[in-house]
Amino acid sequence: DAGVTQSPTHLIKTRGQQVTLRCSPKSGHDTVSWYQQALGQGPQFIFQYYEEEERQRGNFPDRFSGHQFPNYSSELNVNALLLGDSALYLCASSGQVAYGYTFGSGTRLTVV
Amino acid sequence: AQSVTQLGSHVSVSEGALVLLRCNYSSSVPPYLFWYVQYPNQGLQLLLKYTTGATLVKGINGFEAEFKKSETSFHLTKPSAHMSDAAEYFCAVTGYNFNKFYFGSGTKLNVKP
Repeated sequence: DAGVTQSPTHLIKTRGQQVTLRCSPKSGHDTVSWYQQALGQGPQFIFQYYEEEERQRGNFPDRFSGHQFPNYSSELNVNALLLGDSALYLCASSGQVAYGYTFGSGTRLTVV
Repeated sequence: AQSVTQLGSHVSVSEGALVLLRCNYSSSVPPYLFWYVQYPNQGLQLLLKYTTGATLVKGINGFEAEFKKSETSFHLTKPSAHMSDAAEYFCAVTGYNFNKFYFGSGTKLNVKP
């Protein structure tokens, strides 16, 4: 049973560009959350998607947007990239509480 | 509101020595508490969690943690460190519905031979 799958694993973009990161949740999970982990820091909550709607959002600008598809997979989009957006982006999926909360291995985004 | 404080950004122990990583939390609702480990260039791996019930929880690789409500703490311990334990450890808190995790800033554990 595959866990949470994220793609791509690494990405290099130029300032001002746009990027899309993808996440497939663990089987049986219907909720996807995204986190940003800057170098040397703990992960910071970006937003959470459930039933294709953004259910909760952290303190991130509107340049960060997302989407959830009917199969529960999700995308994170970042527009007008800044150097400060360079980070490891982690996706986590969850379902009923008893099923737990599982993180993917992340996408390392470098903005140059 | 919820938050986590991890005391000590770097901890160094000798192989075979006790490991103690400190975590204090703040939560306006009954907390669910977690410890994750992160190896270089990898994602987060769950070590252990406390949701309800027994306050002393055991995790993988010989780690355990005790939830102390009166001290708002959830410190991570391991009786005998191994070289393979060298990694960064994150404490996190959330509520019963897992809507949002709040992470500490992490503690890097170095194990000396």
